[in-house]
Amino acid sequence: AQSVTQLGSHVSVSEGALVLLRCNYSSSVPPYLFWYVQYPNQGLQLLLKYTSAATLVKGINGFEAEFKKSETSFHLTKPSAHMSDAAEYFCAVSGSGYALNFGKGTSLLVTP
Amino acid sequence: DSGVTQTPKHLITATGQRVTLRCSPRSGDLSVYWYQQSLDQGLQFLIQYYNGEERAKGNILERFSAQQFPDLHSELNLSSLELGDSALYFCASSSGGGRETQYFGPGTRLLVL
Repeated sequence: AQSVTQLGSHVSVSEGALVLLRCNYSSSVPPYLFWYVQYPNQGLQLLLKYTSAATLVKGINGFEAEFKKSETSFHLTKPSAHMSDAAEYFCAVSGSGYALNFGKGTSLLVTP
Repeated sequence: DSGVTQTPKHLITATGQRVTLRCSPRSGDLSVYWYQQSLDQGLQFLIQYYNGEERAKGNILERFSAQQFPDLHSELNLSSLELGDSALYFCASSSGGGRETQYFGPGTRLLVL
């Protein structure tokens, strides 16, 4: 079965600092991996998606993620955090029947 | 705005009752997925429909059922509700039945008292 583990349920960064949210995956087949963001009282919005076309995936709002097969990782990064980036971030892997298996989420806090 | 609509936005009901949540997928999308988000279980896949037929089942309780209608909207029926069913229920849609991007609706927040 496909699964993901997000390391760190809470991450705090200063405005302008590097954002790094960690995700490791487990998959018996080449995975499709996703990062979604959830703002308070809203649904999930897709940030980026890995489908094996390129290991470095660029997403919206300046986010990107790198697929590393040797490390079974798909960490999300952004060079400079903005206050508006404060939200819950979910890593997900495409599983059985192509439904998404989500990690437990990482809450990002951005301090001035 | 993802193009996926869900109604109602909020629902408050009592234990033992039955409710129906409705989802309209993005125009042209054939697949509908239902997910449950709760504090203790996180985001869990419940069920998928593709073009009117059940495609995959996840951690869906027997008290829960769903269907997708000819116009492709979907309904999730929750019966004999328990306190633990209180959660945010999301619908997502995708264009096909494979690994296409899933677009999520705003969710229905269910509170069982």
